Amino acid sequence: QSALTQPRSVSGSPGQSVTISCTGTSSDVGGYNYVSWYQQHPGKAPKLMIHDVSKRPSGVPDRFSGSKSGNTASLTISGLQAEDEADYYCCSYAPSHTWVFGGGTKVTVL
Amino acid sequence: QVQLVESGGGVVQPGRSLRLSCAASGFSFSGYAIHWVRQAPGKGLEWVALISYDGTNKYYADSVKGRFTISRDNSKNTLYLQMNSLRGDDTAVYFCARESSSWYDADLWGQGTLVTVSS
Repeated sequence: QSALTQPRSVSGSPGQSVTISCTGTSSDVGGYNYVSWYQQHPGKAPKLMIHDVSKRPSGVPDRFSGSKSGNTASLTISGLQAEDEADYYCCSYAPSHTWVFGGGTKVTVL
Repeated sequence: QVQLVESGGGVVQPGRSLRLSCAASGFSFSGYAIHWVRQAPGKGLEWVALISYDGTNKYYADSVKGRFTISRDNSKNTLYLQMNSLRGDDTAVYFCARESSSWYDADLWGQGTLVTVSS
């Protein structure tokens, strides 16, 4: 159960787009279309932003989008806004009903 | 109000035990699988355990297998995590999280409870 690999940080100016990668293996990210993304502001609980690779829950702005190619999933934030500054975690279903998270990416709005 | 509220955290010595609780309200608790996820200070999220909606099936991360036990009492709308043989690297905020109806993701999280393992 090794953690998925995410960049430690990404940054962008308001209005720009940023993309966060999440690399796993064929046993997790590559093996299932069950990748989710969570946003976490300091001292707060995580919030679900994307599920099943690319589906947005009700209430999540459409500037958040997800995709996957092979063993790598991605989260793109288009039209970056100040409130998007947070930590983002990917998560994948893995064998035997376990989950594995990425190490987290800090998004900074310049 | 739809929510999960964790309790039971605190400071505990290495090797001792602690039981966390997660009280659910505002939704049909017995219809959902529930997870425990933890976050060490300044670190990322780590999945800990999962219990099915009826408590029949339980799954654990390798890091806690054999030491932690997840359980639930649907009559009390409460989830538990019994933590034995605690170690320093178990120090973390422990979140309970509801698995969504579409499965494989968590759509409702509690605010977390801090467990500190220290002598």
